[in-house]
Amino acid sequence: GQNIDQPTEMTATEGAIVQINCTYQTSGFNGLFWYQQHAGEAPTFLSYNVLDGLEEKGRFSSFLSRSKGYSYLLLKELQMKDSASYLCAVTKETSGTYKYIFGTGTRLKVLA
Amino acid sequence: ETGVTQTPRHLVMGMTNKKSLKCEQHLGHNAMYWYKQSAKKPLELMFVYSLEERVENNSVPSRFSPECPNSSHLFLHLHTLQPEDSALYLCASSQDEGGETQYFGPGTRLLVL
Repeated sequence: GQNIDQPTEMTATEGAIVQINCTYQTSGFNGLFWYQQHAGEAPTFLSYNVLDGLEEKGRFSSFLSRSKGYSYLLLKELQMKDSASYLCAVTKETSGTYKYIFGTGTRLKVLA
Repeated sequence: ETGVTQTPRHLVMGMTNKKSLKCEQHLGHNAMYWYKQSAKKPLELMFVYSLEERVENNSVPSRFSPECPNSSHLFLHLHTLQPEDSALYLCASSQDEGGETQYFGPGTRLLVL
């Protein structure tokens, strides 16, 4: 089967660092995406990992371990505007066809 | 961000109504998608179109009928829906249908009474 797990909710303080974990089990793994979704808005692309290791983009970094089926999104110097849901999504390839599988999302609350 | 637009943004309909959701992308992409987002559930992929051809239908009930007249426009025709179909319906597009970054529209919030 296929499954993606991430925490439902997290709370952190402005200026702090928070790590949002995502574990997955799927055959035909191709890559892993992180999206940010503010309440009532569209999900927006944050990062993409296909190889093991860390991808850094400003205050946000994403890590992938293919062998462990594990990824995390690291947010540094948290700001109030970072309060949003963070969606982990895996793409899998089957006979040349690609499919996106999303997790339920982690709702992050940043407190002053 | 106006790369992918959706109309209407909100829709209330009765179970006997027929309505359509519209999506338009201005990014020159070749693939378009319909997703359903319900509270506390993962995004559910409904349909995938690549170069105006439907390449995936994820066991979606026939009361949902997609239409892709060209690579920039995607419709979702709704008829005889059920209350459990109430959700946020998101449209997305990507350059090609190959596991690439998807760009989402703001969604249509649908309430079925």
